[in-house]
Amino acid sequence: DQQVKQNSPSLSVQEGRISILNCDYTNSMFDYFLWYKKYPAEGPTFLISISSIKDKNEDGRFTVFLNKSAKHLSLHIVPSQPGDSAVYFCAASATGSQGNLIFGKGTKLSVKP
Amino acid sequence: KAGVTQTPRYLIKTRGQQVTLSCSPISGHRSVSWYQQTPGQGLQFLFEYFSETQRNKGNFPGRFSGRQFSNSRSEMNVSTLELGDSALYLCASSLLVRSYNEQFFGPGTRLTVL
Repeated sequence: DQQVKQNSPSLSVQEGRISILNCDYTNSMFDYFLWYKKYPAEGPTFLISISSIKDKNEDGRFTVFLNKSAKHLSLHIVPSQPGDSAVYFCAASATGSQGNLIFGKGTKLSVKP
Repeated sequence: KAGVTQTPRYLIKTRGQQVTLSCSPISGHRSVSWYQQTPGQGLQFLFEYFSETQRNKGNFPGRFSGRQFSNSRSEMNVSTLELGDSALYLCASSLLVRSYNEQFFGPGTRLTVL
């Protein structure tokens, strides 16, 4: 049973436009959420995170929104750049489950010039 | 600061053999987690070590084991390899000065079981 779901396996966006990647979770104990980017043959790279006490966190072109009542989070990339093309993973963590991140299966983002 | 390093980067083994993978965390990080990535299952948590103690374990058979040394370096071992163990094995380290888990990943070890 998947606790973290990324329902879109792929997303294609034009350079300069906004990319919106979505993630849903089922476990109400999750209180910390992270987004990672992964290129082929490399490990995931940490992008941005958000605690459940917030509903928004911003870092440069990346913004994560959290809707706790809907158990939904999204990553916005504005403006999108060709170098953003990668697989994006959403991950969740619960206090007390140290070191255990539950990952979604990823969304492959393609940013076209 | 150097990132997380993993050795070897690639391994080819045959069924029934055993394998040991190594991970050196970012300097000062005391928590090391291991994950298995396969096309079908995605990234799945194997176990986590902190100060040489296993604190959390995922849903994997006992053939998968690990340990952590006093310098925080970690190894994972898979015994009696099966074809289904072919995967990318990722190690991640974390400061864990608070309860949140910003983990930083190494490049992974690609294991192929023939």
